[in-house]
Amino acid sequence: GESVGLHLPTLSVQEGDNSIINCAYSNSASDYFIWYKQESGKGPQFIIDIRSNMDKRQGQRVTVLLNKTVKHLSLQIAATQPGDSAVYFCAEDPGNAGNMLTFGGGTRLMVKP
Amino acid sequence: ETGVTQSPTHLIKTRGQQVTLRCSSQSGHNTVSWYQQALGQGPQFIFQYYREEENGRGNFPPRFSGLQFPNYSSELNVNALELDDSALYLCASSLLQRGEQYFGPGTRLTVT
Repeated sequence: GESVGLHLPTLSVQEGDNSIINCAYSNSASDYFIWYKQESGKGPQFIIDIRSNMDKRQGQRVTVLLNKTVKHLSLQIAATQPGDSAVYFCAEDPGNAGNMLTFGGGTRLMVKP
Repeated sequence: ETGVTQSPTHLIKTRGQQVTLRCSSQSGHNTVSWYQQALGQGPQFIFQYYREEENGRGNFPPRFSGLQFPNYSSELNVNALELDDSALYLCASSLLQRGEQYFGPGTRLTVT
């Protein structure tokens, strides 16, 4: 399949541990943020989103935290599983017409069994 | 699977040639965005089509152009290919301009 993120920062965690992936965004006018997961040979897959009027949002096993003061976003994955191994991207919507996303550089998550 | 399909899966072209990539959006989605993803990097926004009109454009030259058809499928055309155009080209569809985007698997373009 496709190789995604050959030279990306890598986070290696033990199966069952919690993972935290961080992202700094650039545009203070951005009002919508999304985390995507990209596996080899596939397009990015939506994980969770958050709007700028919130600072935390929880999904199934995932939590996104937004700190607008320092323009920082994080994705927390609870009880990380081997199937979580992928490249994770944060994306920001600058708030114009919508869905014209600016993606971060990505982090590779490797889960050790 | 997202329901967004792209063709072809892989393509090899020579510098200076032209290429057309195709995307079928998820049923009922009227907004299609195209992204370029170089190896080891995040996707970069090329342009977006909404109801057959270009709705916004990223920092890409005019030799990158597109179309959206009445059934909301879309094409990305790249003229005068350069080596740096080698990348994975992704399309994403959404029901609304600010709705959740669903990405296709991409087309891997190699320019030699």
